[in-house]
Amino acid sequence: GDSVTQMEGPVTLSEEAFLTINCTYTATGYPSLFWYVQYPGEGLQLLLKATKADDKGSNKGFEATYRKETTSFHLEKGSVQVSDSAVYFCASSYNFNKFYFGSGTKLNVKP
Amino acid sequence: EAQVTQNPRYLITVTGKKLTVTCSQNMNHEYMSWYRQDPGLGLRQIYYSMNVEVTDKGDVPEGYKVSRKEKRNFPLILESPSPNQTSLYFCASSLLKQNEQFFGPGTRLTVL
Repeated sequence: GDSVTQMEGPVTLSEEAFLTINCTYTATGYPSLFWYVQYPGEGLQLLLKATKADDKGSNKGFEATYRKETTSFHLEKGSVQVSDSAVYFCASSYNFNKFYFGSGTKLNVKP
Repeated sequence: EAQVTQNPRYLITVTGKKLTVTCSQNMNHEYMSWYRQDPGLGLRQIYYSMNVEVTDKGDVPEGYKVSRKEKRNFPLILESPSPNQTSLYFCASSLLKQNEQFFGPGTRLTVL
């Protein structure tokens, strides 16, 4: 069945470091792909999305490109800030039926 | 203010005592969904609804019921809670055409 796998955390970086969080998906077709962020004590917020192959989603300096060949949707940011510390979830969905989430990657950014 | 609300936010109960967690949204969203979040497992979808009177099972529906009698409300019912349903529960909603889910603040449930 469909699933999403993302790298285990926690990931600890110094401020201004480059961030990559890996995400791969398994699916029978071409789902929409999402990154959500969860700050402590809060619900999830959509960070970015891509709906078809080669689409690049971007928001707040974060980017992710839908790679059909490698079934991946890796999250990147060129220069992280302390305020980016949170848990990041990769997710997939077909036409708003079922959603599949990864296990989450906790990011700690140190000043 | 556009939002998804859940009640209660925290609940401690005992095995077998029926409970309902309410979810309400004020954005006229067609799509609503329930998730549970467990350490190391991420979010798993319990049930979802594409519109009033239309509901379907997610990945982990066992032990849960839902109803969608009104567009704004999507309650989650645990008829006979068990300790393995101790978890953090999130409700979410979305306009179907916009493909973005708005999440509630979460309900932390403990079943003793």
